[in-house]
Amino acid sequence: EDQVTQSPEALRLQEGESSSLNCSYTVSGLRGLFWYRQDPGKGPEFLFTLYSAGEEKEKERLKATLTKKESFLHITAPKPEDSATYLCAVQADIMNRDDKIIFGKGTRLHILP
Amino acid sequence: DTAVSQTPKYLVTQMGNDKSIKCEQNLGHDTMYWYKQDSKKFLKIMFSYNNKELIINETVPNRFSPKSPDKAHLNLHINSLELGDSAVYFCASSPSKLSYNEQFFGPGTRLTVL
Repeated sequence: EDQVTQSPEALRLQEGESSSLNCSYTVSGLRGLFWYRQDPGKGPEFLFTLYSAGEEKEKERLKATLTKKESFLHITAPKPEDSATYLCAVQADIMNRDDKIIFGKGTRLHILP
Repeated sequence: DTAVSQTPKYLVTQMGNDKSIKCEQNLGHDTMYWYKQDSKKFLKIMFSYNNKELIINETVPNRFSPKSPDKAHLNLHINSLELGDSAVYFCASSPSKLSYNEQFFGPGTRLTVL
């Protein structure tokens, strides 16, 4: 069964303490892997798309990387405003239909000042 | 200006009732989506319309019926509401179909079925 698993479920860091969030996936025919940020009471906000193993994308303190089975979202020297839930999603080619998107449960990140 | 708006933001209703959630986008996008985020926080795609044509219809009970009067609007009507329908429903839009990397989400509608 196609699946997207994120770990850890929750992460508390001190301001400035770098760490990584993991997203592992078991889908065939990966068309794209997406990272979103979701603040409480709001809709997800798109961050990155990765298409192939070895690809990396950066935005401010965030860097996303992709291997054949997982993606990491690295957070360098985080600030309290980086606190949010980070969602990973994959677009998979299922039976020649590339319209399916599957989300993980998310990692709740809390940065302490 | 709100890019993707939903009404209402909160909806509390009794089991068995029929209710609708409205969504509008002012981005000029061709494609709109409905997602359900349950209590466990999983976000699942339900429907997608591209230029008023249904292109994604995931395994959703027939009690859920989307309607797209024009490409700027996608409404969700739910008949005979059940307890398990309680969730946050998000509308989203993107410039073209399956362009998930360019999706804009609305603020969500929290539906509570009593």
